Amino acid sequence: SQQGEEDPQALSIQEGENATMNCSYKTSINNLQWYRQNSGRGLVHLILIRSNEREKHSGRLRVTLDTSKKSSSLLITASRAADTASYFCATVLASGGSYIPTFGRGTSLIVHP
Amino acid sequence: EPEVTQTPSHQVTQMGQEVILRCVPISNHLYFYWYRQILGQKVEFLVSFYNNEISEKSEIFDDQFSVERPDGSNFTLKIRSTKLEDSAMYFCAITERVGGETQYFGPGTRLLVL
Repeated sequence: SQQGEEDPQALSIQEGENATMNCSYKTSINNLQWYRQNSGRGLVHLILIRSNEREKHSGRLRVTLDTSKKSSSLLITASRAADTASYFCATVLASGGSYIPTFGRGTSLIVHP
Repeated sequence: EPEVTQTPSHQVTQMGQEVILRCVPISNHLYFYWYRQILGQKVEFLVSFYNNEISEKSEIFDDQFSVERPDGSNFTLKIRSTKLEDSAMYFCAITERVGGETQYFGPGTRLLVL
């Protein structure tokens, strides 16, 4: 399976701290995406990083991709209580014609005010 | 950003009953997807639908499932004879073009099969 697997499964931090979540995958990818899911709600796309990119930023989010290690990280800086959610990585295969993202199990982030 | 709505938000049904879940994109998109998420587990792909036909489906999408666009706007997922293990959140998603990389998800329908 080429699905991403997030690490850690759960993360609990204080407001203002940085949160780092990691994702590992097994096969070559076209791109890797991070999504956020608030409890009982749909997924919200956060950021997409392509296989030829190493780092992307969006506001307080920073995503890195290391294709040699088949891993990605999502860093949320200066976290807020409102960042409390589950975060999923999703990988899209490099070949085979399928654009369907395959999701990992997610990291549950709790930010304490 | 495209907006997707889903109805109903919650549905409780008896095992063996048929359910129809609806997805309504606000804008006229052609590329639809259904996913499910069993409580506490990962989001799983069910089926993609393009130009009024299934373009890709997973092993989960067996004969008890079907999809269609009955009136050109709504996109439905039908489960013919529900089983207890069908209890899950069902998400509709759209992309803005075929091979579009960003998926826009609806809020989901929580299905409970008793």
